[in-house]
Amino acid sequence: GENVEQHPSTLSVQEGDSAVIKCTYSDSASNYFPWYKQELGKGPQLIIDIRSNVGEKKDQRIAVTLNKTAKHFSLHITETQPEDSAVYFCAASWSEKLTFGTGTRLTIIP
Amino acid sequence: DTAVSQTPKYLVTQMGNDKSIKCEQNLGHDTMYWYKQDSKKFLKIMFSYNNKELIINETVPNRFSPKSPDKAHLNLHINSLELGDSAVYFCASLGQGYNEQFFGPGTRLTVL
Repeated sequence: GENVEQHPSTLSVQEGDSAVIKCTYSDSASNYFPWYKQELGKGPQLIIDIRSNVGEKKDQRIAVTLNKTAKHFSLHITETQPEDSAVYFCAASWSEKLTFGTGTRLTIIP
Repeated sequence: DTAVSQTPKYLVTQMGNDKSIKCEQNLGHDTMYWYKQDSKKFLKIMFSYNNKELIINETVPNRFSPKSPDKAHLNLHINSLELGDSAVYFCASLGQGYNEQFFGPGTRLTVL
């Protein structure tokens, strides 16, 4: 089955700086790669996703890149703000089943 | 107009008891899921139903029994609760032809 690794597990960034979270996956059949943000006491919420036929996708301050050959994908957050503090999860799938990474706790330091 | 709702939000119970968690979605989605999130925040899929039929059943003890009375509801019944069952349980739903899963707010289960 699919295995998704995520790094780092914790990340502290000065407000205004950029944050990068990286994931690798094992199943070459995976073709959908979402990123979820989980705030304290809430369920995960999709913030951006990318499919395997695209190398990069951007939505305002958030971007995701995908390297299919290396089976890597990354989340980039620019101009970080205090409300970006949360746990972020990457995931991979080729069907209705999502396999999640282990999560990154991002803290934005004011 | 909550999309995916779960009840209860908190559940504290003794070892050996039987309890249920309920989930409802008003998105018209066909597929629903149960996930378990442990204290280290690991999110693991437990079950998935599509239009009331079980399609994913991960390695979960058979003390856990999902039930889908209709495609808008997916309940989770847990028998003989153990300390290790303490976790946050999330329900999610997925629309046909889409990839985004919508998560509920979670149910924090504490087994004493």
